[in-house]
Amino acid sequence: AQSVAQPEDQVNVAEGNPLTVKCTYSVSGNPYLFWYVQYPNRGLQFLLKYITGDNLVKGSYGFEAEFNKSQTSFHLKKPSALVSDSALYFCAVRSYSGAGSYQLTFGKGTKLSVIP
Amino acid sequence: DGGITQSPKYLFRKEGQNVTLSCEQNLNHDAMYWYRQDPGQGLRLIYYSQIVNDFQKGDIAEGYSVSREKKESFPLTVTSAQKNPTAFYLCACRDREAGYTFGSGTRLTVV
Repeated sequence: AQSVAQPEDQVNVAEGNPLTVKCTYSVSGNPYLFWYVQYPNRGLQFLLKYITGDNLVKGSYGFEAEFNKSQTSFHLKKPSALVSDSALYFCAVRSYSGAGSYQLTFGKGTKLSVIP
Repeated sequence: DGGITQSPKYLFRKEGQNVTLSCEQNLNHDAMYWYRQDPGQGLRLIYYSQIVNDFQKGDIAEGYSVSREKKESFPLTVTSAQKNPTAFYLCACRDREAGYTFGSGTRLTVV
């Protein structure tokens, strides 16, 4: 069965420093991987996805993620953190359920706090 | 949040009462999903639908029911059989390129 692990419940980083939010996955076949961000009492907003191609994926708001097949990881990164990046971040993997059905499996989320 | 609307934003349920959460999309997407979010547990799939008049149970379907009579609409009913319904509920739809769009959520509280 597919699964996603976000090993850190919380990540604290100083404003202007680089940030990394970690994600590892387990899925049969080629993975479709996603990162979403959630602000309080709001839905999830799409940041970026990896389907195929270049291992470094660039997304919204200056975020990028590196796909590493050998380590089954898809870590989210940003070169310089902003206070406004403080939010809850979710990693997800898409799996095929059969008969043309797909579903997303989410990690438990990582709360990012950027300290001024 | 994009072309998908959830209502109401806040909902209060009494013990033993059924309540229905609305999810409407104008993105012309076939697939729609309901997730439940609890603190520290991420999102868990309740039900999903790939086409009109068809839906499948997700990981935590017990105590919930859905319908998909129209492409645009995928309402979720939380029944009295759901013993712990207090949570944040998120609806999503998916396009052909695997992009998922989420609604802004409904917070359900048992009073």
